[in-house]
Amino acid sequence: AQSVTQLGSHVSVSEGALVLLRCNYSSSVPPYLFWYVQYPNQGLQLLLKYTSAATLVKGINGFEAEFKKSETSFHLTKPSAHMSDAAEYFCAVTLGRDDKIIFGKGTRLHILP
Amino acid sequence: ETGVTQSPTHLIKTRGQQVTLRCSSQSGHNTVSWYQQALGQGPQFIFQYYREEENGRGNFPPRFSGLQFPNYSSELNVNALELDDSALYLCASSSDAGELFFGEGSRLTVL
Repeated sequence: AQSVTQLGSHVSVSEGALVLLRCNYSSSVPPYLFWYVQYPNQGLQLLLKYTSAATLVKGINGFEAEFKKSETSFHLTKPSAHMSDAAEYFCAVTLGRDDKIIFGKGTRLHILP
Repeated sequence: ETGVTQSPTHLIKTRGQQVTLRCSSQSGHNTVSWYQQALGQGPQFIFQYYREEENGRGNFPPRFSGLQFPNYSSELNVNALELDDSALYLCASSSDAGELFFGEGSRLTVL
């Protein structure tokens, strides 16, 4: 069965600093991978997705993620953090369009002024 | 294009009661998935409906049931509520492309 592990339930970075949120996946077949963001009292919004095309995926709000098969990783990065990036971030995996999407436990990103 | 809408946004029930949560999917989407998100946790998959048929189920007991209607809207029903059922219930719709679009959720509190 597929799964994702997010390293670090809380991450704090200074405004303007690099954001790095870690995600490792487990899957028996090439997966589809996603990053979602959740702001307080809201649903989840898709940041970006990997569907076996380019390994470097660019998303909204300046975020990007790189699929590394050898490391089974799909870490999320952003060169310069903004205060508005403070939110909960979820990595997710699915085996395909007809399969359920499995979420990690989330990483809360704190931005320090 | 309207997004995914859920109702009610908040509700309070007592143990043993039953609850029905509703979801209107995004226009053009034929698949609806329901997730339970407990406080401080990631969303847990409950089940998925595709063209009115259940198309996958997570590790939830039978007292969690659902329906999808011909217009692709959906209901989640939970019987015999327990304290641990307190959570944010998220509905997400998708088309054949597979990407999930989430509603803002229904927050259920069981006392």
